[in-house]
Amino acid sequence: NAGVMQNPRHLVRRRGQEARLRCSPMKGHSHVYWYRQLPEEGLKFMVYLQKENIIDESGMPKERFSAEFPKEGPSILRIQQVVRGDSAAYFCASSLWGTGAKEYEQYFGPGTRLTVT
Amino acid sequence: AQKITQTQPGMFVQEKEAVTLDCTYDTSDPSYGLFWYKQPSSGEMIFLIYQGSYDQQNATEGRYSLNFQKARKSANLVISASQLGDSAMYFCAMRAGAGKSTFGDGTTLTVKP
Repeated sequence: NAGVMQNPRHLVRRRGQEARLRCSPMKGHSHVYWYRQLPEEGLKFMVYLQKENIIDESGMPKERFSAEFPKEGPSILRIQQVVRGDSAAYFCASSLWGTGAKEYEQYFGPGTRLTVT
Repeated sequence: AQKITQTQPGMFVQEKEAVTLDCTYDTSDPSYGLFWYKQPSSGEMIFLIYQGSYDQQNATEGRYSLNFQKARKSANLVISASQLGDSAMYFCAMRAGAGKSTFGDGTTLTVKP
């Protein structure tokens, strides 16, 4: 059973370009979460999605950032007109809705490291 | 709102000795899960150990154990018999239900030979 997959692993963009980060959850998982990690910091929640729905976007910047999780295909985190401050590691996690301990299990992908030049 | 506090930015331990990494948390949810992750220099997040808020016993996974003191809202990670490969950043996190995880700022552990 493949784990959470993210691509690309490394992405370099010039200021003003668009960045698209992809996340394929574990098989059978319908909950996807995006987190951002700035250098020397912990992970900060951005957005929580289920298939075709945004459940919680309280951590998303109001402008330039958007996320989707379509019925078919991976979840996409899109950053328009990137700035140097967007340089960070972006992690995706997925989980399976369940009860007891399984309700809390969240599996992380390897991350995408975005560098804005 | 949930909050995780890790008060040790950096820790040193001698190889083969035990080390405790501190974590305190705050939440109003009666049911939650506590996690520890290891992040080596390569950057991936490696799950280490999980403790449920209703679990009666402290969780253990090999050389990792979680010292869970619910009344004090602490969930310290104990690593026994430290190895050089344990040098990494360690994050404490919590999660209530199917929502987001909240992470601490991490502790950098350095194991000395």
